[in-house]
Amino acid sequence: AQKITQTQPGMFVQEKEAVTLDCTYDTSDPSYGLFWYKQPSSGEMIFLIYQGSYDQQNATEGRYSLNFQKARKSANLVISASQLGDSAMYFCAMREGDRDDKIIFGKGTRLHILP
Amino acid sequence: DSGVTQTPKHLITATGQRVTLRCSPRSGDLSVYWYQQSLDQGLQFLIQYYNGEERAKGNILERFSAQQFPDLHSELNLSSLELGDSALYFCASSALAGEGTDTQYFGPGTRLTVL
Repeated sequence: AQKITQTQPGMFVQEKEAVTLDCTYDTSDPSYGLFWYKQPSSGEMIFLIYQGSYDQQNATEGRYSLNFQKARKSANLVISASQLGDSAMYFCAMREGDRDDKIIFGKGTRLHILP
Repeated sequence: DSGVTQTPKHLITATGQRVTLRCSPRSGDLSVYWYQQSLDQGLQFLIQYYNGEERAKGNILERFSAQQFPDLHSELNLSSLELGDSALYFCASSALAGEGTDTQYFGPGTRLTVL
């Protein structure tokens, strides 16, 4: 079974609108971390935001916020006021447990921002 | 710029050959991770080194090997190359061993093309 599921292979959004990228995860470990990375067409992987399983509040970093719904095992990325430069591939990832160093990535969502 | 450097940026070689990819972590980071990104397999974790020692192993082929040197830079050696090894190879680094909130920052990647 897939540990990280991103159900939207591609999305088209009008500039300045808010965007929600879906991510669901599967783990039985009570301690885990969730990450979002952005990969522009240039290829580099850019860290966006982190959410720990014990964090009480949703993580936020500038225009990025993580809508963490633990009971639903959902960790959606919300981008407010989208910009043309947000066009990229977005990956959701998870690290299980406190001592597991491996990060498992989802297959990604390609976001296109339209002018 | 994440602070992680990788060389070379592009590498074109023939089947059966051997290549070495190099990674310098962010200043002060002790862990180095290697990932392979291909169209069909997505982003796959290969191996992690922490302070010179192998710490975690993922889907790394026996034809591949890596090491981390005393100055903490790392090299990934790929031998007996096959067409299917063509991919984008990422190095990432993190401050500690990778637990908890320890975030991985990715380098720009090395694009390997095997002809």
